[in-house]
Amino acid sequence: SYELTQPLSVSVALGQTARITCGGNNIGSKNVHWYQQKPGQAPVLVIYRDSNRPSGIPERFSGSNSGNTATLTISRAQAGDEADYYCQVWDSSIVVFGGGTKLTV
Amino acid sequence: QVQLVQSGAEVKKPGASVKVSCKASGYSFSNYGVHWVRQAPGQRLEWMGWINADIGNTKYSQKFQDRITIIGDTSASTAYMELSSLRSEDTAVYYCARDLTYYMDVWGKGTTVTVSS
Repeated sequence: SYELTQPLSVSVALGQTARITCGGNNIGSKNVHWYQQKPGQAPVLVIYRDSNRPSGIPERFSGSNSGNTATLTISRAQAGDEADYYCQVWDSSIVVFGGGTKLTV
Repeated sequence: QVQLVQSGAEVKKPGASVKVSCKASGYSFSNYGVHWVRQAPGQRLEWMGWINADIGNTKYSQKFQDRITIIGDTSASTAYMELSSLRSEDTAVYYCARDLTYYMDVWGKGTTVTVSS
């Protein structure tokens, strides 16, 4: 079965740029989606199909996907961005989530 | 606005079943699928399965294949997830989420299911 690998944690200084990676075999050939989850809350979609932002998501959030790595980039990180982030793909008719990355600002 | 409203918290004994509902509003229920995702305390998101609300087809994670049932009631704009043979490891928050071509754009707030003797 397909696996997605994320770092357990990423730290970023306030106002700097955070990059969260999601590794998978030839993930560049798939659509990757990213969710933000704050403690006690449901996940929120922040990036879909590699690099698209839903309405209401700040431009500071961007995504890219190539080769074996997809990346979520958060520019000008704010305290409110502190959360768990999950990548997700669709593979062989099932949903696959990464293990999640805790972002500390 | 688009909303998914889930049923309330449940406490079940080992071996019992639980049925969680997810009522959609603000959109045409039959035009979208609904996924079910759970999260045990302190753990990652875990996909359980989904239903194509238009034609009623379902697909389940192999992990839950033999004890999960997902149905959709288009007349009530509601999806249901039933999990049987509950064990303590099934204690988790269960989420429903709307499908937008194999990703999830709107999520319910979650239903806490506690399995305890």
